[in-house]
Amino acid sequence: GEEVAQTPKHLVRGEGQKAKLYCAPIKGHSYVFWYQQVLKNEFKFLISFQNENVFDETGMPKERFSAKCLPNSPCSLEIQATKLEDSAVYFCASSPKRIGLTGADTQYFGPGTRLTVL
Amino acid sequence: KQEVTQIPAALSVPEGENLVLNCSFTDSAIYNLQWFRQDPGKGLTSLLLIQSSQREQTSGRLNASLDKSSGRSTLYIAASQPGDSATYLCAVIYNTDKLIFGTGTRLQVFP
Repeated sequence: GEEVAQTPKHLVRGEGQKAKLYCAPIKGHSYVFWYQQVLKNEFKFLISFQNENVFDETGMPKERFSAKCLPNSPCSLEIQATKLEDSAVYFCASSPKRIGLTGADTQYFGPGTRLTVL
Repeated sequence: KQEVTQIPAALSVPEGENLVLNCSFTDSAIYNLQWFRQDPGKGLTSLLLIQSSQREQTSGRLNASLDKSSGRSTLYIAASQPGDSATYLCAVIYNTDKLIFGTGTRLQVFP
């Protein structure tokens, strides 16, 4: 598609439950990124993929967070045993090529999934 | 540490004013700098992208400048309108490809 699609739009979980978020990048884009937006405007990078391979996972809380991008499937971000502080909007973005080589392109963002942990 | 700061944090102005939003970054080795707009409860819309070799970009009433050596960018909005009300985010990219965002400027333009 021509837009990054994210599902679900809203997700409510009790503390300790599992949460799984999905992202379909723009067709033909090789790079996928996950960001977490908490407390109004604080964006935090979580993880990126080049096709199905992890490209950069320096932002991932390794204990409870995991992510995958498998061929012919939406990418997913899974949180095991959610905590109150995981409440945030999770954004997925995609780009067609490496931006950090030429700076000539941008990341295209999806509408986000709002996760509320009660 | 690579950090991005935006000032002011919030701005409320009457319609028609010309505005300047500021962004500063600590590490000047950027590949590009982008200005985004975020409406409440919505995703991000890319407004302007300035590559590291460029000095400015313009789109309609928006003009963004980049001074890479001093670690600064400004977004100039001419003749502001109520429809410009949103949060404006500045973000930079280094060779790692991840966007590093500022904390944003929340703009309200009243009629």
